[in-house]
Amino acid sequence: GESVGLHLPTLSVQEGDNSIINCAYSNSASDYFIWYKQESGKGPQFIIDIRSNMDKRQGQRVTVLLNKTVKHLSLQIAATQPGDSAVYFCAENLDSTLTFGKGTMLLVSP
Amino acid sequence: EPEVTQTPSHQVTQMGQEVILRCVPISNHLYFYWYRQILGQKVEFLVSFYNNEISEKSEIFDDQFSVERPDGSNFTLKIRSTKLEDSAMYFCASGDAYNEQFFGPGTRLTVL
Repeated sequence: GESVGLHLPTLSVQEGDNSIINCAYSNSASDYFIWYKQESGKGPQFIIDIRSNMDKRQGQRVTVLLNKTVKHLSLQIAATQPGDSAVYFCAENLDSTLTFGKGTMLLVSP
Repeated sequence: EPEVTQTPSHQVTQMGQEVILRCVPISNHLYFYWYRQILGQKVEFLVSFYNNEISEKSEIFDDQFSVERPDGSNFTLKIRSTKLEDSAMYFCASGDAYNEQFFGPGTRLTVL
């Protein structure tokens, strides 16, 4: 998994597997969290968000879990596809400023 | 589907020159942002803009930087005197609410 400010780890999975990408955020006062996907040469693409008053939110094939006790955020991708290959990073919001993690590279093999 | 656009896609400039990076946010959005991403590093917040004024800015956003919304559709980032370390991808983002942000494809700035 990744932690805001550390080097970029890589997660390699097979097509069809479930992927879990982790993030440790830094500020317990952050009230909103977002997962972004960034493909090579492109801008960050919004995937899913969660507010601090929730601990789980589901989207299409993605689930975000928030554990405020340990300041941990995870992104679960079900039935991972080759098109999911990208860098994924979390961002935490505090006082209208987003602070991004460096990201985790997800590599999906067919 | 509406999207944020940015021009140019790649800007090459000499150190000390001024550059203007342009963005067209999604039309009904009210919140605008600039971020930068140095190669291989994380996305860093530069500035947020709402109601025709800067609402937040980071330590990176010093006096060399300025933003403007000159005509109600464009949102620009100006770097007055570029330095080598300004080389990065610059992303514009816009949002229609306090938190949700949609990013443009970025402008790659190369300072020689």
